[in-house]
Amino acid sequence: AQSVTQLGSHVSVSEGALVLLRCNYSSSVPPYLFWYVQYPNQGLQLLLKYTTGATLVKGINGFEAEFKKSETSFHLTKPSAHMSDAAEYFCAVSAAGFQKLVFGTGTRLLVSP
Amino acid sequence: ETGVTQSPTHLIKTRGQQVTLRCSSQSGHNTVSWYQQALGQGPQFIFQYYREEENGRGNFPPRFSGLQFPNYSSELNVNALELDDSALYLCASSSGQMRVEGSNEQFFGPGTRLTVL
Repeated sequence: AQSVTQLGSHVSVSEGALVLLRCNYSSSVPPYLFWYVQYPNQGLQLLLKYTTGATLVKGINGFEAEFKKSETSFHLTKPSAHMSDAAEYFCAVSAAGFQKLVFGTGTRLLVSP
Repeated sequence: ETGVTQSPTHLIKTRGQQVTLRCSSQSGHNTVSWYQQALGQGPQFIFQYYREEENGRGNFPPRFSGLQFPNYSSELNVNALELDDSALYLCASSSGQMRVEGSNEQFFGPGTRLTVL
């Protein structure tokens, strides 16, 4: 079985500050890990994914995440927040070779001027 | 390239009614997955269709059913609606089969918001 825990339902940062959204996963098999972003009244857009290989993954809009197997974590970071980053962010896991995504409960990122 | 589209955008039903939601997959994709996203929650996997066959199912009762057509578009049907079925229903398309190419990206549609009164 697989699961994802996202710490913090809301995260507030100032524009230009570091963004850190936390995700811990549980998986009995090698995981594939994803971060999605959801803007109001829209579907999900893939930010980045980890499958195999390099553990530091770079995505769109300046986001990146690092897969740490020893910590079962896949935290999302961005060096400098922009107002347009305000949205809901979801971490998801799937078993390698399977396409069923198991999502966390999401973290709402608030960016203040 | 046309993305994933869903219809209708919004829908209001009453308890006990039946509803059909529709999804057109992205060009070149043969796999459609459906997810239910309750308010304040992450999406939950309902089922997946690959080449017109159900190819995996989440923890949802049989009153949730689906179809995939030869053009790979899909329908989600929910019978005997309950209040707890109120949610955003997301469709995602991808290429490849569930147990073969797990890294294939799933492209999500904008969703259908269902309200059950």
